[in-house]
Amino acid sequence: AQTVTQSQPEMSVQEAETVTLSCTYDTSENNYYLFWYKQPPSRQMILVIRQEAYKQQNATENRFSVNFQKAAKSFSLKISDSQLGDTAMYFCAFMNPPNFGNEKLTFGTGTRLTIIP
Amino acid sequence: GAVVSQHPSWVICKSGTSVKIECRSLDFQATTMFWYRQFPKQSLMLMATSNEGSKATYEQGVEKDKFLINHASLTLSTLTVTSAHPEDSSFYICSARITDQPQHFGDGTRLSIL
Repeated sequence: AQTVTQSQPEMSVQEAETVTLSCTYDTSENNYYLFWYKQPPSRQMILVIRQEAYKQQNATENRFSVNFQKAAKSFSLKISDSQLGDTAMYFCAFMNPPNFGNEKLTFGTGTRLTIIP
Repeated sequence: GAVVSQHPSWVICKSGTSVKIECRSLDFQATTMFWYRQFPKQSLMLMATSNEGSKATYEQGVEKDKFLINHASLTLSTLTVTSAHPEDSSFYICSARITDQPQHFGDGTRLSIL
């Protein structure tokens, strides 16, 4: 079974600074998807960014980017120019590709990020 | 696009009653819907996977007679917590997806059993 590990339960950073959240995973599959979801105090789950394992290029969405190291099974999230609205719980998640027949997400334990004004 | 609506957002009821939570995909037809449970300050734990017109697949340790899932159409799945007790109090979140797309989540339902 796949496992996802987030080793940083809590982090805080000053507004406008850059912060990196760590995530490692364990799988024997070669093709899969990785995601970062954000859960603000409202508790809505918001997709931040996703990465297909077969793509070598790291995904980027505006201020959010990932460092995907497939051999090391590492998938960190970098938030640049952090904003107060980035304060939230961040979950790393793993999913097998659809043709595997098991499309469920496996979540890490989360990192609580606080942006300090 | 890809909006998932979950209702109700908060429900309080007495122990022993049954509670139904609805999950709707508003602007797309979902091939699969998922139900999660989240305890305070913890991660999301998958309860079951639901495909339209077929029986839900429950995760190990989840009582299927306790948590009834119905997926009658491509846009609606329901979770019924039967004979709810205080230990069933939690935050329940649904998600929906179509093939090759990420899961889109509802806003969740806070269930409190007195």
